[in-house]
Amino acid sequence: AQSVTQPDIHITVSEGASLELRCNYSYGATPYLFWYVQSPGQGLQLLLKYFSGDTLVQGIKGFEAEFKRSQSSFNLRKPSVHWSDAAEYFCAGRQTSYDKVIFGPGTSLSVIP
Amino acid sequence: KAGVTQTPRYLIKTRGQQVTLSCSPISGHRSVSWYQQTPGQGLQFLFEYFSETQRNKGNFPGRFSGRQFSNSRSEMNVSTLELGDSALYLCASSRGDRGNTDTQYFGPGTRLTVL
Repeated sequence: AQSVTQPDIHITVSEGASLELRCNYSYGATPYLFWYVQSPGQGLQLLLKYFSGDTLVQGIKGFEAEFKRSQSSFNLRKPSVHWSDAAEYFCAGRQTSYDKVIFGPGTSLSVIP
Repeated sequence: KAGVTQTPRYLIKTRGQQVTLSCSPISGHRSVSWYQQTPGQGLQFLFEYFSETQRNKGNFPGRFSGRQFSNSRSEMNVSTLELGDSALYLCASSRGDRGNTDTQYFGPGTRLTVL
């Protein structure tokens, strides 16, 4: 079955440190992949998306993600975390443009000063 | 360009009542999808509407229904509310053309509390 998993439920990093949030997918072929961020009580904001081509994708707020077919992963990275990055992060994917989007369980990020 | 708007933002209802939530998509977007978000189940897909027709459906009971109007605005209705229906209901809009780059953009959500 198609799925998106995020192995880390919660991550804490120090402000200014680098960040990597993990995402693994289970699809038969190269899926369409997304990362969203959700602040408390708010909707989801799109950070970046991957459809094809260059496997390193740049997004908003200084985030990037790398698609690795061999590892079925689409990890989100940021070189230097800011306190305002504390939020819930969701990885999502779909097999084709006709399929519904499947969301991972989310990773909660805390940032300590 | 205005984003996705949802009304109301907060609702309190009692068991057995029914509720209607509204979503206005981004201008030019013809697809509206609805999701339920709870701490235990995460984000779960309810249904998608495109051009006033339900195009995709998740695994929710018939108490959950929706519709879409000719201006692409959408409503979802939950009848005979249960305590477990307490959740954040999110609406997402997209072009809906099913092109490879079609992307969902989310509204702020409606927080429903069932007492």
